[in-house]
Amino acid sequence: DSGVTQTPKHLITATGQRVTLRCSPRSGDLSVYWYQQSLDQGLQFLIQYYNGEERAKGNILERFSAQQFPDLHSELNLSSLELGDSALYFCASSGEGFQPQHFGDGTRLSIL
Amino acid sequence: EDKVVQSPLSLVVHEGDTVTLNCSYEVTNFRSLLWYKQEKKAPTFLFMLTSSGIEKKSGRLSSILDKKELSSILNITATQTGDSAIYLCAVGGGAQKLVFGQGTRLTINP
Repeated sequence: DSGVTQTPKHLITATGQRVTLRCSPRSGDLSVYWYQQSLDQGLQFLIQYYNGEERAKGNILERFSAQQFPDLHSELNLSSLELGDSALYFCASSGEGFQPQHFGDGTRLSIL
Repeated sequence: EDKVVQSPLSLVVHEGDTVTLNCSYEVTNFRSLLWYKQEKKAPTFLFMLTSSGIEKKSGRLSSILDKKELSSILNITATQTGDSAIYLCAVGGGAQKLVFGQGTRLTINP
């Protein structure tokens, strides 16, 4: 158990819809990262938050947004969903300095 | 553009064999290289290698970073069926984001 909690574990929805994925980092970790894992793209970095502020951005679509709240949990919002958004979405967290990132079990998103 | 390449992409061996997995990278502002093991769910952290720590070992697993060749290897000795997984190499550059390779799918047959 990495200590990173993601909910829900599975999400099935239709094209055009909007969903919110939630992540609680390990106790004490200020940094939260979101990654997308699809069969053809591997693990791709989406966005990082540090103590409530956006720190770095990857190839995140404009339809996707994220935020980190004062209690340090984070949410990833995906809107106007397309079939190609079906993937595993992972959240990771890390401590101060350059520490290894620890991953949650992911949310499997299926778009029908 | 930052890039991490792993080889082989797939490997099938017998229990008890020794395997070597490779990772090469091109990253600006290199800070660290990490190895993860992914079974059914989350990637599980194995090692982090940096300029100040180029060799790590834990039980039957060991890893070396070659900063001159921009590469790393992950060795697993006396493999067991429980070692079957996808092994991911990731490199940390600026802003701490990780760039992942495609992974090596390792299958250990009894």
